[in-house]
Amino acid sequence: AQKVTQAQTEISVVEKEDVTLDCVYETRDTTYYLFWYKQPPSGELVFLIRRNSFDEQNEISGRYSWNFQKSTSSFNFTITASQVVDSAVYFCALSEAGGRRALTFGSGTRLQVQP
Amino acid sequence: KAGVTQTPRYLIKTRGQQVTLSCSPISGHRSVSWYQQTPGQGLQFLFEYFSETQRNKGNFPGRFSGRQFSNSRSEMNVSTLELGDSALYLCASSLGQGAHNEQFFGPGTRLTVL
Repeated sequence: AQKVTQAQTEISVVEKEDVTLDCVYETRDTTYYLFWYKQPPSGELVFLIRRNSFDEQNEISGRYSWNFQKSTSSFNFTITASQVVDSAVYFCALSEAGGRRALTFGSGTRLQVQP
Repeated sequence: KAGVTQTPRYLIKTRGQQVTLSCSPISGHRSVSWYQQTPGQGLQFLFEYFSETQRNKGNFPGRFSGRQFSNSRSEMNVSTLELGDSALYLCASSLGQGAHNEQFFGPGTRLTVL
């Protein structure tokens, strides 16, 4: 069965600090998809990134970067030079069976960026 | 392009009642998925509809049901409400069927059961 673990319940940083959110997943499938979503106080989840299991290339998008390592079953998310607007709950999610199985979300990491 | 809309945004019901929540997907999106979010259980998948057919279902009792109309709008219904059904219900739409697609979420309906 698929499982996603986000061990960090809450992280607090000061603006401009770098922060890494950890995500560890479990799956027996060879074809799966990993996601990161952001949930600001408004409540709606905002898609950040999708990765399939065959693409281990790290990705950078502005201040955001993702490190996918199949060897450790991890898909970590780093925010560089954090800003107050980054304050939100961040969820990592997994879909097995080539996407045929529904998303399983981690418990989320609440990030608070202090000015 | 308008985003995913959900109505109502807030709802208060009492135990034993039933409730219907509505979701309008992004124009052109044919898949609608529903999720329940609670502090205790986190985000859990309820079901996915594509082309008016339920394609996938989460581990929820039969009191939770849904449907999709020909214009891709979707409704979910919860009958015989229990206190534990208090949650934020999120709807998400995507172009294609399946969880590998990028899903666009609505703002949610916050249901309180008294």
